[in-house]
Amino acid sequence: DAGVTQSPTHLIKTRGQQVTLRCSPISGHKSVSWYQQVLGQGPQFIFQYYEKEERGRGNFPDRFSARQFPNYSSELNVNALLLGDSALYLCASSLGWGSDGGELFFGEGSRLTVL
Amino acid sequence: AQSVAQPEDQVNVAEGNPLTVKCTYSVSGNPYLFWYVQYPNRGLQFLLKYITGDNLVKGSYGFEAEFNKSQTSFHLKKPSALVSDSALYFCAVRDYFGGGFKTIFGAGTRLFVKA
Repeated sequence: DAGVTQSPTHLIKTRGQQVTLRCSPISGHKSVSWYQQVLGQGPQFIFQYYEKEERGRGNFPDRFSARQFPNYSSELNVNALLLGDSALYLCASSLGWGSDGGELFFGEGSRLTVL
Repeated sequence: AQSVAQPEDQVNVAEGNPLTVKCTYSVSGNPYLFWYVQYPNRGLQFLLKYITGDNLVKGSYGFEAEFNKSQTSFHLKKPSALVSDSALYFCAVRDYFGGGFKTIFGAGTRLFVKA
């Protein structure tokens, strides 16, 4: 079975632009979470979606938005890009929404560079 | 709020020697604790988790971790290190935030195994 797939793998944008990142979870997984990993730091939680509903949002501005589709794939959108948005964006899927203590399965990430 | 701390930025060990990567946690209630590994330019991979039960948890690639409630620690260990174990290791805790779950990661510890 395919793992978590993310696209694009790398992209370069300029300040003020908008970006859309895509994620396909492992087949059968209903939860998708998004994390931002800045160089030298641990991943920071952005969103969790479960069964197409937003279940939680981290401490990120409203420029960040996401959605989950009926096939459980997900998109992360970032508007009005800032230099500080440069990071590795990780998508993670899990079978349940987290109460079972299940682990996360990560994609390889989308590396965003904002110039 | 739940949190984890990794007190060492880097751990150096010779191949064949035992290794320990330290993690302490601060949680209310019973913790769900995890270890993940990240290789260069890759996403995170799950190693092991503690939910409940035996304090010694065995995971992938010969790694194990010991849950110590009195010391609030969850150190990652391996009896004999390999050069291929060189990577970035993250300790993490699952946090319920009202409607969903997020995983909170430590800052990471870089493990360097010398041949």
